[in-house]
Amino acid sequence: EDKVVQSPLSLVVHEGDTVTLNCSYEVTNFRSLLWYKQEKKAPTFLFMLTSSGIEKKSGRLSSILDKKELFSILNITATQTGDSAIYLCAVEATGANSKLTFGKGITLSVRP
Amino acid sequence: GAVVSQHPSRVICKSGTSVKIECRSLDFQATTMFWYRQFPKQSLMLMATSNEGSKATYEQGVEKDKFLINHASLTLSTLTVTSAHPEDSSFYICSATSRGGRDTQYFGPGTRLTVL
Repeated sequence: EDKVVQSPLSLVVHEGDTVTLNCSYEVTNFRSLLWYKQEKKAPTFLFMLTSSGIEKKSGRLSSILDKKELFSILNITATQTGDSAIYLCAVEATGANSKLTFGKGITLSVRP
Repeated sequence: GAVVSQHPSRVICKSGTSVKIECRSLDFQATTMFWYRQFPKQSLMLMATSNEGSKATYEQGVEKDKFLINHASLTLSTLTVTSAHPEDSSFYICSATSRGGRDTQYFGPGTRLTVL
């Protein structure tokens, strides 16, 4: 059974801090790992990672995948209160229908 | 990015009634749609996968007779919660993808179902 474990489960930081969110996984027939940000409604897509060692960047967010050690990290630099959300990691397996298996999410609270 | 809508965004119903939730892909053809359920402080749990024009594939433990899924067109899938009970109260989210599921999944805004 595919499995995704995220850590820590929750995190409280102050504005301007840098945070690192972790995601480890076990999946048969890995295709990709995805990061989502979930505020009050449905998740919004952040990154899709398929190859090891290639950093994906979007503004203050960046993410990298290690397919040998089966984990990914999501970094957020110079955090802002608007970064407060649940960050979900999901893995996608190959197959006719690419199902996503989600981790439980990391609740990030950024205090002013 | 691609846009997926859900309707209604919030529904309150009495126990025993049925509720239909619609999921639409607005600017692309969704060959595959996924239905998830999320309980408070829990992650998204996949309920079923539906491909246009064929029967949905349900995850283990999800009752297909209770959660009826219809994916009648390339832009619309519906989830009907039949004979809803309070324990069915949850946040239901759909996602849609093209190219037979090999593309990125785009999520709808979700539907909050409360069964009294």
